[in-house]
Amino acid sequence: AQSVTQLDSHVSVSEGTPVLLRCNYSSSYSPSLFWYVQHPNKGLQLLLKYTSAATLVKGINGFEAEFKKSETSFHLTKPSAHMSDAAEYFCVVSVGHDMRFGAGTRLTVKP
Amino acid sequence: DTGVSQDPRHKITKRGQNVTFRCDPISEHNRLYWYRQTLGQGPEFLTYFQNEAQLEKSRLLSDRFSAERPKGSFSTLEIQRTEQGDSAMYLCASSPDLYNEQFFGPGTRLTVL
Repeated sequence: AQSVTQLDSHVSVSEGTPVLLRCNYSSSYSPSLFWYVQHPNKGLQLLLKYTSAATLVKGINGFEAEFKKSETSFHLTKPSAHMSDAAEYFCVVSVGHDMRFGAGTRLTVKP
Repeated sequence: DTGVSQDPRHKITKRGQNVTFRCDPISEHNRLYWYRQTLGQGPEFLTYFQNEAQLEKSRLLSDRFSAERPKGSFSTLEIQRTEQGDSAMYLCASSPDLYNEQFFGPGTRLTVL
C-alpha cells in the first residue's frame, strides 16, 4: 500500500517570495508521484508528474518538484509566488490505478 | 472544451432520498474513476472502470452506492437512501491508460439535509 503526508496544512507567503510545499510518501513499489492544484470551484489540475525519469520535474506555471528517494520526499517549489497561485495543492502517490492523495496544503499569497 | 464533465454541479437532497450523478469522460479515455472529497481532505478513491468493466471498489463504497458505465462511455454514480454523512464533493476522472495522469471533472457537490 502507499500513502502520502503533506507536512503543512497551510502555507502563507508574500507575493514574489519563494514557495515550498512539502510532501513525503510511502510506497512498497516504485510509485508515480504527482502534484495537483485545486482552485475554488474548479476541477483538479495537474501541475507536474514524476514517473521514474529525471528526478527534477518541471511543471506548469513555474512550479517544479524534486524526487528524493533516500528521503521519500517530493517537495514542490516555485521561485517567486504570484497572487494567482493561491489555491489548494495536493501531493499524490500512485501505483497503477491506485492514487492516494494527501490532505492538501492551502497556499495563501499576500500582496 | 473536451474535458471531463459532471452533472449536476450541485445537488441538495433530503435524507433518505436517492440521487444519481453523471460523468462524461474525455472521449478517447477508457479508464474512469470516482472519488469522494470531504471538506479539508484530499479525494478518496471510490471505484474505477476500464471500459464498461468495474474493476475495483473501495470499502468506502457501501451497498447503498452503485456505479455503472454501461457502454464504456459515460458513467453514473447512484446513492440510495442518502445519509448526512454522504455530503461531500463527488469527483470523476478519466485517463487514457493505467500509467498516465488522471484528468478530473469539476465535481458534483452533494448536500444531504
